Amino acid sequence: QVQLVQSGGGVVQPGRSLRLSCAAPEFTFRSYDMHWVRQAPGKGLEWVALISFDGSNQNYADSVKGRFTISRDNSKNTLYLLMNSLRAEDTAVYYCARQYLTMIVVVPHFDYWGQGTLVTVSS
Amino acid sequence: DIQMTQSPSSLSASVGDRVTITCRASQSIAGYLNWYQHKPGTAPKLLIYGASNLQSGVPSRFSGSGSGTDFTLTIGSLQPEDFATYFCQQTDTTPFTFGGGTKVEIK
Repeated sequence: QVQLVQSGGGVVQPGRSLRLSCAAPEFTFRSYDMHWVRQAPGKGLEWVALISFDGSNQNYADSVKGRFTISRDNSKNTLYLLMNSLRAEDTAVYYCARQYLTMIVVVPHFDYWGQGTLVTVSS
Repeated sequence: DIQMTQSPSSLSASVGDRVTITCRASQSIAGYLNWYQHKPGTAPKLLIYGASNLQSGVPSRFSGSGSGTDFTLTIGSLQPEDFATYFCQQTDTTPFTFGGGTKVEIK
């Protein structure tokens, strides 16, 4: 069973920064693209960002582009999300997730998820 | 961006019922469609990937079908542990958008 262990959430004032971490000690972390997904209170799931297995490519939702940075340290098996200029609407539970592809069905899907970490942006 | 529309947004059903949830994409996504189950306070759980492929360990009462723009998740015989919210997700093109969710409640 793959465990993605998240840390770094909390309460932060608008305009401030916060960094989330996602540790993946039990699989070949460096072989997989990784994502962040969030769920605001009472809302559905929202995809936030993607980073390629080697960190060379990143992609962001328009709602966070220019404010959030996804990164990874493959030597530490850890994924990060640096969130700058936080807004009230960024309040959500944030999940990291591993992207998987099978050799037969080459459709990206998220097979393992972190436990989620709550970020509350409030003055 | 590709918009994913799920229906219904909620439903009430009894244990043993057959439940069908639909998901429509705003443009063709071939078979790049996944389904997840989400319960409060837990991480989402992958049920179906590639429109119709059952994830390992997921009970066979769950099934998926469809291609192009229209997709369906079916629960063959609803069990008590199936009361949850279900989301579809397209992974044809970033952003990998999710549907709004379908909350399955106990009748």
